[in-house]
Amino acid sequence: EAGVTQFPSHSVIEKGQTVTLRCDPISGHDNLYWYRRVMGKEIKFLLHFVKESKQDESGMPNNRFLAERTGGTYSTLKVQPAELEDSGVYFCASSQEDRVIHNEQFFGPGTRLTVL
Amino acid sequence: AQKITQTQPGMFVQEKEAVTLDCTYDTSDPSYGLFWYKQPSSGEMIFLIYQGSYDQQNATEGRYSLNFQKARKSANLVISASQLGDSAMYFCAMREAPAGGGSNYKLTFGKGTLLTVNP
Repeated sequence: EAGVTQFPSHSVIEKGQTVTLRCDPISGHDNLYWYRRVMGKEIKFLLHFVKESKQDESGMPNNRFLAERTGGTYSTLKVQPAELEDSGVYFCASSQEDRVIHNEQFFGPGTRLTVL
Repeated sequence: AQKITQTQPGMFVQEKEAVTLDCTYDTSDPSYGLFWYKQPSSGEMIFLIYQGSYDQQNATEGRYSLNFQKARKSANLVISASQLGDSAMYFCAMREAPAGGGSNYKLTFGKGTLLTVNP
């Protein structure tokens, strides 16, 4: 079974440019999460999808960030325009909807974003 | 207030020895889960072990065990017989019941502990 995949693995852009990150969750996982780790700080929750529906986007930093999950499969996270403070590692995670087991989240390898 | 506190930014251990990585948490929710993840230099996040708040016994997974002390709100990770491949960043995380009965089991992470295993 393929794990969570993310593309690209690295992205270096200039301030003001646009970047789109992609996440492909494990097939059949309805829950998809985006997290971000800024250098030296905690990994922080950004938002949560169930299928194509946004359930909680309370962690999104501001309106320069837009996440979509059309069709309930892969998700994209667009940053437009990028600022220096957006640099960090963006993780995607997916899980099954299962209240019996512990809803283990499977993480992707992350996308390292550098804004110059 | 910090929900997950990992007080050890870095730890060193000799190969084949045991090491304990500390984690304390803060929640008023009676139903919660605690996770440990490993992040090697390659960057991926690897799930190691899980402890539910109602679990009566400490979780174990191979060389990993979780020393769960509910009254103290601590969930320390113990790695026995350390190996060179255990060198990595280790994150403690907590999942609380979703607000409003939804399905958002988002994780709250600590800052991590960088473990270095010396030969």
